[in-house]
Amino acid sequence: NAGVTQTPKFRILKIGQSMTLQCTQDMNHNYMYWYRQDPGMGLKLIYYSVGAGITDKGEVPNGYNVSRSTTEDFPLRLELAAPSQTSVYFCASRDPSPAGRYEQYFGPGTRLTVT
Amino acid sequence: DQQVKQNSPSLSVQEGRISILNCDYTNSMFDYFLWYKKYPAEGPTFLISISSIKDKNEDGRFTVFLNKSAKHLSLHIVPSQPGDSAVYFCAASGITSGTYKYIFGTGTRLKVLA
Repeated sequence: NAGVTQTPKFRILKIGQSMTLQCTQDMNHNYMYWYRQDPGMGLKLIYYSVGAGITDKGEVPNGYNVSRSTTEDFPLRLELAAPSQTSVYFCASRDPSPAGRYEQYFGPGTRLTVT
Repeated sequence: DQQVKQNSPSLSVQEGRISILNCDYTNSMFDYFLWYKKYPAEGPTFLISISSIKDKNEDGRFTVFLNKSAKHLSLHIVPSQPGDSAVYFCAASGITSGTYKYIFGTGTRLKVLA
């Protein structure tokens, strides 16, 4: 299993540009999450999904969009990049079974700089 | 409003000694707590967790203690090893709108000195 993979690893965007951060997991997890981590801060939830076709906002959704057309993929879209979106982005997934383990599995992150 | 707080941004410990990392939370509805470890340029990895029905959970060198009345949990690492040097995040979770969400603390950077 590759686990959770994210592409790209690094990206520099100009203000106003758009991009999609890719996230794929091969563990057949229904639950997927997008977080951002700013320097010295914890992880803030942007969006999450409990299954294909179902997404919902987290704590900091403004400026982002998501889609979930398959169980494996959960891309995050930035439409009009702003300097405030400079951050490290992590994708995570989890097994939703109530009898299962509750930990999330994280990807390696995408470091995004908007200038 | 920071619902999960790690008040110590950093901690240095000698190799072989005990490391104690602390975490406080404010929401009494949280019912599951997790610790993650993060190395530079990598994603967080799960370390250990505890349900609110327990007050202690052990896994090898790692033990998590939960004090519900104080809304406090701690991670003990004994003995500490240089490879334990990393940022440690605590996270709290509970069901909101029918699904588990996680609130993370700001992290504590542990440095284990050889």
